[in-house]
Amino acid sequence: EVQLVESGGGLVQPGGSLRLSCAASGFIVSTKYMNWVRQAPGKGLEWVSVIYSDGSAYYTDSVKGRFTISRDSSKNTLYLQMNSLRPEDTAVYYCARDYLGDYWGQGTLVTVSS
Amino acid sequence: QLVLTQSPSASASLGASVKLTCTLSSGHSSYAIAWHQQQPEKGPRYLMKLNSDGSHSKGDGIPDRFSGSSSGADRYLTISSLQSEDEADYYCQTWGTGSYWVFGGGTKLTVL
Repeated sequence: EVQLVESGGGLVQPGGSLRLSCAASGFIVSTKYMNWVRQAPGKGLEWVSVIYSDGSAYYTDSVKGRFTISRDSSKNTLYLQMNSLRPEDTAVYYCARDYLGDYWGQGTLVTVSS
Repeated sequence: QLVLTQSPSASASLGASVKLTCTLSSGHSSYAIAWHQQQPEKGPRYLMKLNSDGSHSKGDGIPDRFSGSSSGADRYLTISSLQSEDEADYYCQTWGTGSYWVFGGGTKLTVL
């Protein structure tokens, strides 16, 4: 059974950093392309980043240079390193599998506030 | 520019059917999309991939009550025999060049 479990969210001050994790089971993370998607309070879904099976990565413009997507094959886990956080980064962050988004995690809340 | 347009809200009665629409922007009418359901306070759930010819492939465990169809730039999600648990937000999503995802604004479905 495929499962995705996010963790690492929390309250952080503007300018701070967080690393989100997405632990996968039921498939091998490095063989799929994996996405991060966020949802600000009361808003719709916004794509954040993708990492391909070959390791290439892409980002939405608003996070370029601040966020880094990566994975650890030994832990079968996807990560999102978020630096220089801004209040507008406040959202629930979801990981989602493949180009279809055929499996999603339950999300982890990131709050950027002083 | 690749854009998906959805009506903000829809409503239908318990046991009835409802058809939600997602419209692709000009020049993108051949694109496939995915439909996702997000129940209150939950993560999204993949419903189906829907191609421009109306063929679709559903996710694991998605009931037969959920079906998809297409006409031109419009992609539809039809839910029949509405149940209370179908009250949710429904998002369409597609894939642009450069590997990015595009989401519609979502439709909030109310089951009366």
